[in-house]
Amino acid sequence: EVQLVQSGAEVKKPGESLKISCKGSGYSFTSYWIGWVRQMPGKGLEWMGIIYPGDSDTRYSPSFQGQVTISADKSISTAYLQWSSLKASDTAMYYCARVRAATPSLGSWGQGTMVTVSS
Amino acid sequence: DIQMTQSPSSLSASVGDRVTITCQASQDISNYLNWYQQKPGKAPKLLIYDASNLETGVPSRFSGSGSGTDFTFTISSLQPEDIATYYCQQYDNLLIFTFGPGTKVDIK
Repeated sequence: EVQLVQSGAEVKKPGESLKISCKGSGYSFTSYWIGWVRQMPGKGLEWMGIIYPGDSDTRYSPSFQGQVTISADKSISTAYLQWSSLKASDTAMYYCARVRAATPSLGSWGQGTMVTVSS
Repeated sequence: DIQMTQSPSSLSASVGDRVTITCQASQDISNYLNWYQQKPGKAPKLLIYDASNLETGVPSRFSGSGSGTDFTFTISSLQPEDIATYYCQQYDNLLIFTFGPGTKVDIK
């Protein structure tokens, strides 16, 4: 069974850094793209970017380019989303999702990580 | 960038009603269009991929159609468990994904 397990909720102050994780299991982690999706409170889904753990090829939505960094450690089947300096507007639920190979769709999702940024 | 619009933004219908949601792309996306269901407090769930293909395990009352710029998502007979927000999502050859703004479905 494909599973994506995300790290727990975080409460941070503006200006702090943060790295959240998404651990894949039940499949070949290096063979599938992993994407990140933001959902601000009460709002819709926003595509942030994607990484192929096999070779670390990474692509960002223009809206998030330069705002976050997506990475992966294939030795531990884990993808990451990180911020160097958080803002209050980064408060949101963040989901990771596996992209299916044959027909690009988000077939498996993590449970989400809630990030709260408040002074 | 490709922009996605959905209508309506919300709807209320009775149990057993046929519900239709439309999604429009700002340019031709062929059939590169997926539909997701998100229930409150839960991660989204894939229902339809490539415009009209039903994901394994998804009830047959859900269906999708369309190609090019205009797409339709239908629930043939609305059930209480279908209360959710539904999102369309397009993808391109660079695996850049874009979600529509969502349609919230309630029971009347």
